[in-house]
Amino acid sequence: AQTVTQSQPEMSVQEAETVTLSCTYDTSENNYYLFWYKQPPSRQMILVIRQEAYKQQNATENRFSVNFQKAAKSFSLKISDSQLGDTAMYFCAFMTSRGNKLVFGAGTILRVKS
Amino acid sequence: EAGVVQSPRYKIIEKKQPVAFWCNPISGHNTLYWYRQNLGQGPELLIRYENEEAVDDSQLPKDRFSAERLKGVDSTLKIQPAELGDSAVYLCASSRQGWYGYTFGSGTRLTVV
Repeated sequence: AQTVTQSQPEMSVQEAETVTLSCTYDTSENNYYLFWYKQPPSRQMILVIRQEAYKQQNATENRFSVNFQKAAKSFSLKISDSQLGDTAMYFCAFMTSRGNKLVFGAGTILRVKS
Repeated sequence: EAGVVQSPRYKIIEKKQPVAFWCNPISGHNTLYWYRQNLGQGPELLIRYENEEAVDDSQLPKDRFSAERLKGVDSTLKIQPAELGDSAVYLCASSRQGWYGYTFGSGTRLTVV
């Protein structure tokens, strides 16, 4: 069974600064997908960024980028130029190549301070 | 396109009472998921539908939980009778091809008193 671990329950960052959220996972599969979702107080899970395990290049979406280390089974999220609207719970998630089940970590609360 | 729509947004019931949640997925998304999210935790899959068929319900507590997806579109998740431990947020999601990620609704926050 796949597991996802987020070791930082809470993080804080000053507005306009950069913050990195950590995620590790465990799997015996070679092909899979990794995601970061954001959950603001509205509760809706919003897809932030996605990485395909067979691609060595790290995914980037505007201010969001990942550091994917396949051998270490690590998948961290970097948020640059943090904004107040980035305040939310962030979940790391794993999916097998069959695409039929997202497994989530416990989440990291990120607070952006002005 | 319209997102995944869930109702109600909030529900407070007494223990042993029944409750139902409704989900309307994105048009054309054949796969529908129900997740349960306990306070301070990540969501956990309860059931997955491919069209009308429940293809993964291994985590659904079948003694009190039931679900249906009529005509492969809308879905209803029911709890009868509810217990205090069922208090959680129930999230519905849908996808066309799961490996691109799921689209989630805003969830129903259930409080059992």
